[in-house]
Amino acid sequence: QKEVEQNSGPLSVPEGAIASLNCTYSDRGSQSFFWYRQYSGKSPELIMSIYSNGDKEDGRFTAQLNKASQYVSLLIRDSQPSDSATYLCAVEETGGFKTIFGAGTRLFVKA
Amino acid sequence: GAGVSQSPRYKVAKRGQDVALRCDPISGHVSLFWYQQALGQGPEFLTYFQNEAQLDKSGLPSDRFFAERPEGSVSTLKIQRTQQEDSAVYLCASSSTRENIQYFGAGTRLSVL
Repeated sequence: QKEVEQNSGPLSVPEGAIASLNCTYSDRGSQSFFWYRQYSGKSPELIMSIYSNGDKEDGRFTAQLNKASQYVSLLIRDSQPSDSATYLCAVEETGGFKTIFGAGTRLFVKA
Repeated sequence: GAGVSQSPRYKVAKRGQDVALRCDPISGHVSLFWYQQALGQGPEFLTYFQNEAQLDKSGLPSDRFFAERPEGSVSTLKIQRTQQEDSAVYLCASSSTRENIQYFGAGTRLSVL
């Protein structure tokens, strides 16, 4: 069973700080990686996608991928209370169509 | 609207009842996914369609679960003889061939009593 592991949290950071969210995965052949944000009672929405080793930046968000270590992370700079949500790491399975989601990390940004 | 539409938003079923959940994907999206999300968990893959073809149904938990997309657009997830453990939010997502980003609907919250 291929797995995606995340710390469930909650992760609590003060407003303006950097929030660091981490994820490990078991499928060594995976090529596509995603971070989704899910507000309570709402559906997931895509924050970032990353396919190559290294960093990818989009506004206040930076995704980092290390395929050798099977590790994906998401950094949120200048965290805002509106960033408080559950962040889901998702990995597309090798050679298939299935996307495996982690259980999510709950983030609280304190004003 | 331009997004993925799911209906009903909420469904209460008595144990043993059959239910049907509908998903209307974004127009033109070839790929359609169904997920089950239990409270406090991430979405769990159920099945995948490319147009009308069901290419992966490995996540369906039992033969009580059945999905179809007969014309390659609207999809229906059917659960027969519902059980309490079927209570969850059922999410539908669609994506285009140009990008493998999945856009999610608001989900159907199923409660089996």
